[in-house]
Order: sequence, then C-alpha cells, then structure tokens
Amino acid sequence: NAGVTQTPKFQVLKTGQSMTLQCAQDMNHEYMSWYRQDPGMGLRLIHYSVGAGITDQGEVPNGYNVSRSTTEDFPLRLLSAAPSQTSVYFCASSFGGPGELFFGEGSRLTVL
Amino acid sequence: AQSVTQPDIHITVSEGASLELRCNYSYGATPYLFWYVQSPGQGLQLLLKYFSGDTLVQGIKGFEAEFKRSQSSFNLRKPSVHWSDAAEYFCAVGANNNDMRFGAGTRLTVKP
Repeated sequence: NAGVTQTPKFQVLKTGQSMTLQCAQDMNHEYMSWYRQDPGMGLRLIHYSVGAGITDQGEVPNGYNVSRSTTEDFPLRLLSAAPSQTSVYFCASSFGGPGELFFGEGSRLTVL
Repeated sequence: AQSVTQPDIHITVSEGASLELRCNYSYGATPYLFWYVQSPGQGLQLLLKYFSGDTLVQGIKGFEAEFKRSQSSFNLRKPSVHWSDAAEYFCAVGANNNDMRFGAGTRLTVKP
C-alpha cells in the first residue's frame, strides 16, 4: 500500500527559482492538504482541498499555489522561492471531517 | 482561534520508566483532540484521538491520553517506555481538518 507519496524528498533551490512538490494518494481520500514544519513551530497548514476542483488557503498560504485536478494528486507550487520557504513540507490526506490525517514522508526544501 | 501548547520541548526518560507528555489547548467549544508521533525522517502517524465519550482514550503502541475539560488538557501517557518510542510527539486540536492546529512538539529521548 503506497498511501501518500511525496516527491522529491530533497531539493535545493536558488532564490527566485520555481518548483513543484508532488503529492499523490491512492486511498480515494477527498481531503488533501499541505503543511510546512519548522523547528519550534510544529506544523502549519499552507493550503487544502476538500475535493477535485476545490482548494482553499490555510494559515500560511503566501508564496504557494495549489490545484486539484484529480482526486489523487495535489501539487504544491512555489512561484519564486525565498529563503523563508526553507522548510520540511508534508502532504496529508483524509476521508474528510475531523478524522485521521495520513501523512507522506516529507520533502526537505532548502532555498539559498 | 484555537491553539495548542506543549510545554516540554525535550524530555528524557529511562527505558522502562513511565512517561507523560503534556498538552494544553485553547478552543471555544469541545474540541477534537489528537496525538501524532513522528519518527526521524518520517511523516506523522496517529497515536490516538478524542472526539467524545470516555475521557480516557487508548491508542496504538500502548499509549493512552486523558481529556480533562476543566484543565483544558489532553496529556499523553505510557506506563513503560521502550527504546523504540524515541521520537517527536505532536498534540493537535481542531473542529475539522481545515482548522487543525498542531503544537510545537515534544522530543522524547529514551536512555538505555
């Protein structure tokens, strides 16, 4: 069982570059989300989606874009990377409502 | 808005000793409460959750947590810690996935 798959696991960018973090889940979950994890701050919600074609902002959305064209995929785009976006990013999915979140293994991004 | 406080950044216990990790929350109504565990280099995994009913909830790996409304707390406990329990533990609160707030985490070290 693949669960939630994130790629790449590691990425180094220069300031101003763009990139996409990929997230795919094979559990037919309607809800998908992106978090960033920074030391001493826990996880903070960036964007989320409650189904294909529906996305919304979380706590820290600035500098990130998302789209949801299929139930399975929820990519996160950094339009113009900044050093403040250096973080570990987690994708998570759920059946919906306040239930268990299933997390990917994370993507460590460094912006120089 | 809801918030979660985990007062202990780092805790060290001896293998076989008991463990209690503290979690305090601020929320306007009865919250949904969660504990997640993150092993090094991994995503988060749900340990247990509280929605309603019995205030003492059992989770996986021998963990339990008690919801105390009067103290706004949801502390995690384990009677006897194993070396494999060394990880980071996150408390989370929310009415739904879109609203989930995570604590900053408590890192657990287990001494042999």
